[in-house]
Amino acid sequence: GENVEQHPSTLSVQEGDSAVIKCTYSDSASNYFPWYKQELGKRPQLIIDIRSNVGEKKDQRIAVTLNKTAKHFSLHITETQPEDSAVYFCAASRRVTGGGNKLTFGTGTQLKVEL
Amino acid sequence: DTGVSQNPRHKITKRGQNVTFRCDPISEHNRLYWYRQTLGQGPEFLTYFQNEAQLEKSRLLSDRFSAERPKGSFSTLEIQRTEQGDSAMYLCASSLTYRGSQETQYFGPGTRLLVL
Repeated sequence: GENVEQHPSTLSVQEGDSAVIKCTYSDSASNYFPWYKQELGKRPQLIIDIRSNVGEKKDQRIAVTLNKTAKHFSLHITETQPEDSAVYFCAASRRVTGGGNKLTFGTGTQLKVEL
Repeated sequence: DTGVSQNPRHKITKRGQNVTFRCDPISEHNRLYWYRQTLGQGPEFLTYFQNEAQLEKSRLLSDRFSAERPKGSFSTLEIQRTEQGDSAMYLCASSLTYRGSQETQYFGPGTRLLVL
């Protein structure tokens, strides 16, 4: 089955700096890669996603890159703010029976933005 | 609130008891997913429904677990004879199929289960 590895497990940056989180996946059939932000005690919320036919996608301060050949994808947050502090999960998705999408998540990165 | 809702939000039970959780998806979302999340880990896929049909089950879903979505709207997840290892956050997500594309899964707030 799919295996997603995520690094680092914790990341501390100064406000205004950039943060980069990296993930690798094993299943070449995976074709959709969402990133979720989860604050303590709250639901995972999608912040950005990328499909396998695209190499890069940007949304304001957040960008994601995908290298299908190397099977890795990364999240980039620029000009970090204290409210960016949370756990970030990458995921890889492949289609399963009936066309649904099984998400396999990484183990998460605890991002702390310090003042 | 038009997002995914789950009830109860917290459940404490004794080992050996049965528990049932409910998930109400976003209106008109035809796919519904259940995941389990333990402390410090990402969510793990358990099962999913397209309308009322349960189409995929993870091997994590032992025979003590059963899920239903009788009318293609809300879903229930039942755990029989709970064990301490079942303690986790149970998350539900829903999505709307979009032809030719991977649809976004929207998560509920989860039900946190503690088995004593």
